Amino acid sequence: KQEVTQIPAALSVPEGENLVLNCSFTDSAIYNLQWFRQDPGKGLTSLLLIQSSQREQTSGRLNASLDKSSGRSTLYIAASQPGDSATYLCAVRRNYGGATNKLIFGTGTLLAVQP
Amino acid sequence: EAQVTQNPRYLITVTGKKLTVTCSQNMNHEYMSWYRQDPGLGLRQIYYSMNVEVTDKGDVPEGYKVSRKEKRNFPLILESPSPNQTSLYFCASSLGRGQKYEQYFGPGTRLTVT
Repeated sequence: KQEVTQIPAALSVPEGENLVLNCSFTDSAIYNLQWFRQDPGKGLTSLLLIQSSQREQTSGRLNASLDKSSGRSTLYIAASQPGDSATYLCAVRRNYGGATNKLIFGTGTLLAVQP
Repeated sequence: EAQVTQNPRYLITVTGKKLTVTCSQNMNHEYMSWYRQDPGLGLRQIYYSMNVEVTDKGDVPEGYKVSRKEKRNFPLILESPSPNQTSLYFCASSLGRGQKYEQYFGPGTRLTVT
């Protein structure tokens, strides 16, 4: 059974600092991995999606890496800003015949960027 | 604007009183699903639908029902809510059922059952 873990559960950093959020998964047979941002009352916003054949994806100040063989992904946020404060979730899709579009989520990392 | 909408956004109810949480998408998506989010457990899939009149159980379907009579709507029904169904609920949709299709999430419905 696929399990997704995110460490740390909470993180507080001063504005301007670079930071890394971690995600690990137990079954390396994934189709892709996706990072989301969750803001209170606003649902989930997709940040980056990495296909299983890719090693990393970048969007602005965000860079996500994927090491499928070791079951790990990281989300790097450069020059953090108070507006980056949110809960960050990673989720994987399984890779097997007949698989549907079900996402298996981690429990998230609550990030607070202090001005 | 392309979006997934849920109603109500907040609901407080009592044990045993039937309720329905609506979900609607305007993107002509085939695949829709419901998740619940609980502290320490993350988001878990309740039910999903691959198209009109096609629904199936997710990981935590007990105590819930769904229907998909129209492509755009996928209501979540709690026939007899119990306190352990207090949670934050998300509806999501995607163009297709396969893993390559990105999912779009609604804003969430916070349900409290007393």
